[in-house]
Amino acid sequence: NAGVTQTPKFQVLKTGQSMTLQCAQDMNHEYMSWYRQDPGMGLRLIHYSVGAGITDQGEVPNGYNVSRSTTEDFPLRLLSAAPSQTSVYFCASSFGGVNTEAFFGQGTRLTVV
Amino acid sequence: GENVEQHPSTLSVQEGDSAVIKCTYSDSASNYFPWYKQELGKGPQLIIDIRSNVGEKKDQRIAVTLNKTAKHFSLHITETQPEDSAVYFCAAGAAGNKLTFGGGTRVLVKP
Repeated sequence: NAGVTQTPKFQVLKTGQSMTLQCAQDMNHEYMSWYRQDPGMGLRLIHYSVGAGITDQGEVPNGYNVSRSTTEDFPLRLLSAAPSQTSVYFCASSFGGVNTEAFFGQGTRLTVV
Repeated sequence: GENVEQHPSTLSVQEGDSAVIKCTYSDSASNYFPWYKQELGKGPQLIIDIRSNVGEKKDQRIAVTLNKTAKHFSLHITETQPEDSAVYFCAAGAAGNKLTFGGGTRVLVKP
């Protein structure tokens, strides 16, 4: 049972480039979310999804897009990378939404130069 | 929206001593309060959670207390061990709302 798998683990982008961070879970969880982690600021919610075909914005959605075509996958797209998007990104999934245990991936460390 | 404040930001304790981390929240609708532990290079992992209908919950050396009137909750780790060294996050949320995290506490247990 792999849990939540994120790829890549590390990425360096140039300003203006686009890329997709991949997230897949094999626990049949309906609720999936993306967070960014910056020093001293905890985890901030970017986008989330309560099921296939349904997505919504979190606290810091600007500059990011998501889609949820299957229950298993929830990719995060950076449209035009900016240095302010340098961060560690975590994908999480849970069975019953916000008030149930969230399972996190190992993270993607993104640097935008 | 919900705002969660977490203190202290860093905590250094001697092995065997207790560690206490405190969080306050702003939204009285929040009714779920999890604590996550993050080891270096890994994603956060749930260690304990508490719901608003309970004032205290314990799991071996870890306990969480909740004061809904004052809107604060705390994590207590007793008999700390070197493997307790990590970053700890509190969070608050409710069904239908988003989960909001505190800023994190870096705990260092000195042998």
